[in-house]
Amino acid sequence: EAGVTQFPSHSVIEKGQTVTLRCDPISGHDNLYWYRRVMGKEIKFLLHFVKESKQDESGMPNNRFLAERTGGTYSTLKVQPAELEDSGVYFCASSGPLREKLFFGSGTQLSVL
Amino acid sequence: GESVGLHLPTLSVQEGDNSIINCAYSNSASDYFIWYKQESGKGPQFIIDIRSNMDKRQGQRVTVLLNKTVKHLSLQIAATQPGDSAVYFCAENRGSGYALNFGKGTSLLVTP
Repeated sequence: EAGVTQFPSHSVIEKGQTVTLRCDPISGHDNLYWYRRVMGKEIKFLLHFVKESKQDESGMPNNRFLAERTGGTYSTLKVQPAELEDSGVYFCASSGPLREKLFFGSGTQLSVL
Repeated sequence: GESVGLHLPTLSVQEGDNSIINCAYSNSASDYFIWYKQESGKGPQFIIDIRSNMDKRQGQRVTVLLNKTVKHLSLQIAATQPGDSAVYFCAENRGSGYALNFGKGTSLLVTP
């Protein structure tokens, strides 16, 4: 069974540019989560999809971040325009029938210069 | 605000020794806790979980202990191996939905 995959693994952009991160959850997992880890700090929750609906987006830092999950399969997280403080590792996770057991992808390392 | 935190940011142990990683939580409503292991360049990997109706749960070489009285969680790794070197995170459920709150992580270094 394929795990959670994320693309790209690394992204280096300049302040003010736009970046789109993609996550493919484990097939059949209805729950999809985005998390972020800024260097040296804890992994912070961003938002949670159940199928294509946003269940909880209380962790989204501001309106420069837009997450979508059209069709309830893969998800994208767009940052527009990117700021320096957006740098960090963005993790995607999914869960299935055992809804609290999250499986994580390897993350996207985002560097905003 | 409510948070999950770790007592020690780094832990160095010798190969073969037992390791104990501690975690404090403050949300008394949390009823589910997980330990994750993160190796360099990889995402967090599930190690073991425990529900609040239990005090102890054992896996392969790992044991999680939950003390609800003092809101403390620990991960014990028996006969620590070099492959156990990683950052370990504790996490608790957020109380709504199924997302998790994570602590900052403890870096475990196993020396030969």
